[in-house]
Parts: sequence; C-alpha cells; structure tokens
Amino acid sequence: AQTVTQSQPEMSVQEAETVTLSCTYDTSESDYYLFWYKQPPSRQMILVIRQEAYKQQNATENRFSVNFQKAAKSFSLKISDSQLGDAAMYFCAYRSAPRGGADGLTFGKGTHLIIQP
Amino acid sequence: KAGVTQTPRYLIKTRGQQVTLSCSPISGHRSVSWYQQTPGQGLQFLFEYFSETQRNKGNFPGRFSGRQFSNSRSEMNVSTLELGDSALYLCASVRDGGSYNEQFFGPGTRLTVL
Repeated sequence: AQTVTQSQPEMSVQEAETVTLSCTYDTSESDYYLFWYKQPPSRQMILVIRQEAYKQQNATENRFSVNFQKAAKSFSLKISDSQLGDAAMYFCAYRSAPRGGADGLTFGKGTHLIIQP
Repeated sequence: KAGVTQTPRYLIKTRGQQVTLSCSPISGHRSVSWYQQTPGQGLQFLFEYFSETQRNKGNFPGRFSGRQFSNSRSEMNVSTLELGDSALYLCASVRDGGSYNEQFFGPGTRLTVL
C-alpha cells in the first residue's frame, strides 16, 4: 500500500514571501500521479497542481511549482509571492496509474499554511 | 457549468441509525469517488463508481456502501452508525475516471453521530 507523509503540520510565512511545503511518499510502483490539493476554511478541496511520475520536468502553475524527486520519492510544493488567499490546509496526494483510475487518492495528513500580513 | 453538489450539507443522527448521502457530479462526468475526512484519520478513500459499477473500495467495513445511478448521481449509505462515523464526507467527480484527470470535489456533507 502506498503512504504519503507530510512532516510539517503547520507552516507560517509572511505575505509576498516564498514557502515550501514538504511531501514524501512510499510506493513500489513506477507509474503514478501526484497532486497538491488546497482546502480553505470553506472545506472545498481545490486542485493546485499535479505531476505525472514519468515526466522529469517539474510542473508549474503560476505562483505554484513543485520539486519532484522520483528517486527520493519527494514531491514538495513551492508557493511564491504568498498571498492572504493562499491560507489553507494543503494536502499532498498520490494516485496509482496502472488501473486507469480505479484507485482513489491517498492523502497525506496535511499542512496548515498561515499567511502573516 | 454547475459544480459537484452534495446533499444534505449537514446531518445529525444517533448511534444505530442509518444515513444516506447524495452526490450529483458535474454534468458529463461519469466517475464519482467518496472520501471520509476526520481529524484523527485524515482523508480516506471510501469507494469509486464508474458507469454504475463500483471499481474499487477502500478499507472500510461493510456498513459503508454506495451505488451510482444511470445519470451518474451517486449515493452512499452508512448503516448502524457509530460515534466514529462522525466526519466530513466528500464526493468527487471525474470526467472519464482517468487517474490523471482532475477530481472535482463537492462541498461535503458534515455528519454528526450522537
């Protein structure tokens, strides 16, 4: 079974600064997908960014980028120019590829990101 | 396009009762997944349905069941409720169920078991 670990229960950053959230995972599979989801106080889960394991190039979405290290099984999220609206719980998630979507997402415990004005 | 809708949004039940939660996916989406979110266990996968068939199920007891209708709407049922079933239940829909495709989540149903 796959596991996802987020070692930082809480992170705090000044507005406009850069912050990196850590995520490691354990799997014996070679083909899979990784995701970062954001859950604001409204509880609405929102996809932030996703990465295909076979792609070496790190994914980027505007101010959000990842550092994907497949050998180290690490998938960190960097948020640049932090904004007050970025305050939320951030979840790292893993999904197997081979079964074509039948498996659900495996989530980490989450990191609570606080943005200091 | 309307998002994923879940009803009811809040529910209070007592131990031993049963409950049914509903999820309407985004129009055109054929796959629906269910997740349970609790402070202690975090987010855990319950099951996924695609074209009315359950394709996979997480590690939950048989008290948790679900189904999907021909219009892709899905329901999940929990029988003989326990205090530990108190949680936020999230449903997510995907257009065609592919692993890489974005799962769009609903706002959740908050279930409290007294």
